[in-house]
Amino acid sequence: DTGVSQDPRHKITKRGQNVTFRCDPISEHNRLYWYRQTLGQGPEFLTYFQNEAQLEKSRLLSDRFSAERPKGSFSTLEIQRTEQGDSAMYLCASSSQGTNSGNTIYFGEGSWLTVV
Amino acid sequence: QKEVEQNSGPLSVPEGAIASLNCTYSDRVSQSFFWYRQYSGKSPELIMSIYSNGDKEDGRFTAQLNKASQYVSLLIRDSQPSDSATYLCAGRDTGTASKLTFGTGTRLQVTL
Repeated sequence: DTGVSQDPRHKITKRGQNVTFRCDPISEHNRLYWYRQTLGQGPEFLTYFQNEAQLEKSRLLSDRFSAERPKGSFSTLEIQRTEQGDSAMYLCASSSQGTNSGNTIYFGEGSWLTVV
Repeated sequence: QKEVEQNSGPLSVPEGAIASLNCTYSDRVSQSFFWYRQYSGKSPELIMSIYSNGDKEDGRFTAQLNKASQYVSLLIRDSQPSDSATYLCAGRDTGTASKLTFGTGTRLQVTL
């Protein structure tokens, strides 16, 4: 399988605990994105990387959220001190840096987080 | 105005009919647009992209872009029950030309 891979697919955690999600992008893609999606809404942008550099972070991303892409390959998204409002599907996506058709964004299968 | 706006639906069409899904956008998204299909509980799957004014056809799907009106649409011909899903319209950010901004999606129901 050469698509975007996310792990774990499902996570149930107690409020106040920390959780970490991992994303492995399509191998030749140098851009990696994190989105969050709640029921009835479209995906909301959180952050993106070009290679190992984090180039943009949404204002939605509170200081409890941190993302890394240390070697420009896989990425992790950590949520500290989880709150019930963090319950959502966390989507990772990747693209190349080309123009138009060359930088189409492809999504992984998502990681579902439920905070109880 | 939201950057990308869609009617949430549901849009109900009979099997075999044409489904028309619409999306408007603001100046904050660029002139490249994408339609994703999302089944319940699944992640978005790319259907089509469109960058130039006019129509782009791919099988049963036609995307239409009107830059003057800031309007993009997706037509699905010969709708099938398997087309029942939420369709997300997305535009690429004008400033960075990198991330996509999504609408809330339109839920399509194809009835037998």
